[in-house]
Amino acid sequence: GEDVEQSLFLSVREGDSSVINCTYTDSSSTYLYWYKQEPGAGLQLLTYIFSNMDMKQDQRLTVLLNKKDKHLSLRIADTQTGDSAIYFCAESKGGYQKVTFGIGTKLQVIP
Amino acid sequence: NAGVTQTPKFRVLKTGQSMTLLCAQDMNHEYMYWYRQDPGMGLRLIHYSVGEGTTAKGEVPDGYNVSRLKKQNFLLGLESAAPSQTSVYFCASTHPGSYEQYFGPGTRLTVT
Repeated sequence: GEDVEQSLFLSVREGDSSVINCTYTDSSSTYLYWYKQEPGAGLQLLTYIFSNMDMKQDQRLTVLLNKKDKHLSLRIADTQTGDSAIYFCAESKGGYQKVTFGIGTKLQVIP
Repeated sequence: NAGVTQTPKFRVLKTGQSMTLLCAQDMNHEYMYWYRQDPGMGLRLIHYSVGEGTTAKGEVPDGYNVSRLKKQNFLLGLESAAPSQTSVYFCASTHPGSYEQYFGPGTRLTVT
């Protein structure tokens, strides 16, 4: 079945890089996503990568996809206190865009 | 453009009571979804709809019913609430071919 796994917690110092990792099981995934959830709010799409890509960079964010190992990572450069949030890894196969989410990684940024 | 809105934001129910959560979107999206978010379990899909008048079961549909009488609204009903339905409920919408789901702010429901 479909499964997306990620660690629960990550703590980094302000200014350092953060790397959040995720593994997924469904090799037919079309899109892989990183969503961000700030306290008391809904989820907001942070970035996504199409399954035929290896890397995507968007300002401070770098997404790496290793299809062979079914491993996705999100790197946040120069992490700021405003980056403190829960980050969800997710995947979908198109169709009706049903998305399978991981449990979320809570990123704590220490000033 | 309000995006996706949810009503109410908070609610406390007693076991056995019923209620309806309303999701509305003003983006003319075809697809709408209801998720629940529980600690340590991420988001799980309850029901979804791919168009007005259609609904389908997701991963955890038991104890919930849904209706999509109008394209812009997706209702989630609890006929007889149970403490296990204490959760934060999120609605989302998107259109065919899109890679992004747009989420509402959530409804925090407590069943005592």
